[in-house]
Amino acid sequence: IQLTQSPSFLSASVGDKVTITCRASQAINNYLAWYQQKPGKAPKLLISAASTLQSGVPSRFSGSGSGTEFTLTISSLQPEDFATYYCQHLHSYPITFGQGTRLEIK
Amino acid sequence: EVQVVESGGGLVQPGGSLRLSCAASGFSLSDHYMDWVRQAPGRGLEWVGRSRNKANSYTTEYAASVKGRFTISRDDSKNSLYLQMNSLNIEDTAVYYCARDPTADWGGYFDCWGQGALVTVSS
Repeated sequence: IQLTQSPSFLSASVGDKVTITCRASQAINNYLAWYQQKPGKAPKLLISAASTLQSGVPSRFSGSGSGTEFTLTISSLQPEDFATYYCQHLHSYPITFGQGTRLEIK
Repeated sequence: EVQVVESGGGLVQPGGSLRLSCAASGFSLSDHYMDWVRQAPGRGLEWVGRSRNKANSYTTEYAASVKGRFTISRDDSKNSLYLQMNSLNIEDTAVYYCARDPTADWGGYFDCWGQGALVTVSS
């Protein structure tokens, strides 16, 4: 199963609302997770099961979708949100990640 | 505190071998599925393989790119996970992360990651 994220690069300003899309090459139910990664750091889990926000993750992050199309939305960008975001499916083997979306400050 | 710490990275020649370790603390490794994920310099995340929990007989799965060369094992007495890497090639150069999946089921996720271990394959 291939995951395709769009866009691959996103430039935005503090306070903006942004949406990242992850499309699966076949239906994966809601077996999708989202991660945030900052340079030199390990990925951090944000959302599981497509829409379940992890404990401690700010409520400005939200996820939605099922089947083949999923979105990660950040409602009001904060300076600490500028990072690379990855989607991941755990529907079947091999587990795969999207290619990543790099979110930069405009 | 739930934590995993990788060790054992380094420089190895093409065709060589290396074993990475992942020491878990704050939870019992035997209860959890554990995965290895790697990230080549400047690239995205690539799943390497999985070790299921004790209840599922520690069975394993591997990505096609490493199957037959890499082996995942565990030592419950040390609460540690291992990645034995053989026949290494330049394309295996990456930071290797171990990660915990707490669900032991499809639709899981990786909720705890180590800081990563850098493996460099070069002559």
